[in-house]
Amino acid sequence: DAGITQSPRHKVTETGTPVTLRCHQTENHRYMYWYRQDPGHGLRLIHYSYGVKDTDKGEVSDGYSVSRSKTEDFLLTLESATSSQTSVYFCAISEGGGQPQHFGDGTRLSIL
Amino acid sequence: KNEVEQSPQNLTAQEGEFITINCSYSVGISALHWLQQHPGGGIVSLFMLSSGKKKHGRLIATINIQEKHSSLHITASHPRDSAVYICAVRNRETSGSRLTFGEGTQLTVNP
Repeated sequence: DAGITQSPRHKVTETGTPVTLRCHQTENHRYMYWYRQDPGHGLRLIHYSYGVKDTDKGEVSDGYSVSRSKTEDFLLTLESATSSQTSVYFCAISEGGGQPQHFGDGTRLSIL
Repeated sequence: KNEVEQSPQNLTAQEGEFITINCSYSVGISALHWLQQHPGGGIVSLFMLSSGKKKHGRLIATINIQEKHSSLHITASHPRDSAVYICAVRNRETSGSRLTFGEGTQLTVNP
C-alpha cells in the first residue's frame, strides 16, 4: 500500500472555527490532491499540488486553502468552517499527472 | 448532465454470478480509471486504461473510445467483492491530472 497518512481521521468542530487537515506521504510522489466525498456526488476535487509550493484549484475550492511547503506534506485549511463543509475528505497522491492515484483512508469532518 | 454516468447505481448479486458495471462519459478523455471503495471507506485503484481491455484476476475492464463507454466485469463474484465501484475520467482538454468521478455503483454479493 502507498504510504499515505491523513490526520486527524475524525474531527467534530463548530461553525466558524478554523480547521486544518494534514496529508503526509512517504512515496516522494510529485502530485497530491484533496477531494471531498458527499452523498449524491462523486468525489470532487478541492485543490491539488504538482510540486512544492505549486498548487491549483479544483472544482469546489471556495472556502478552502492549501499549502505544500515540502514534498511529503499537503495541508488543507478551512479558514472558517461552515456546516456545508461537513464531509469525508480524501487525500490522494500520484507519481505523475497521468498516473493512477493512491488514496488515503479519509478524514470524517463534522461541522456543527 | 454529469460528465461521467454509471449504471446501475445499486446491484445485488448471488455468489458466483457474472457482474457488469457500466460507465459512460461525455468528454474526450486521455484515460479512464476504475476504483473500488471498501465498506470501511478506503479507496483502491483497480485499472487505468485508454484503449482495449485489461484483466487482473477475476476483474476485467474494457473501454470503447468511439462510444465513450467502459465496462467493469467481475467473474465468479464473491461476497468480498461487495464494495462501491467508481469510474473516473481524465479529460483530455483540462490541465494537470484532474479526474472527474462518477457517483459509484454499490455492489452487494450475497452468499
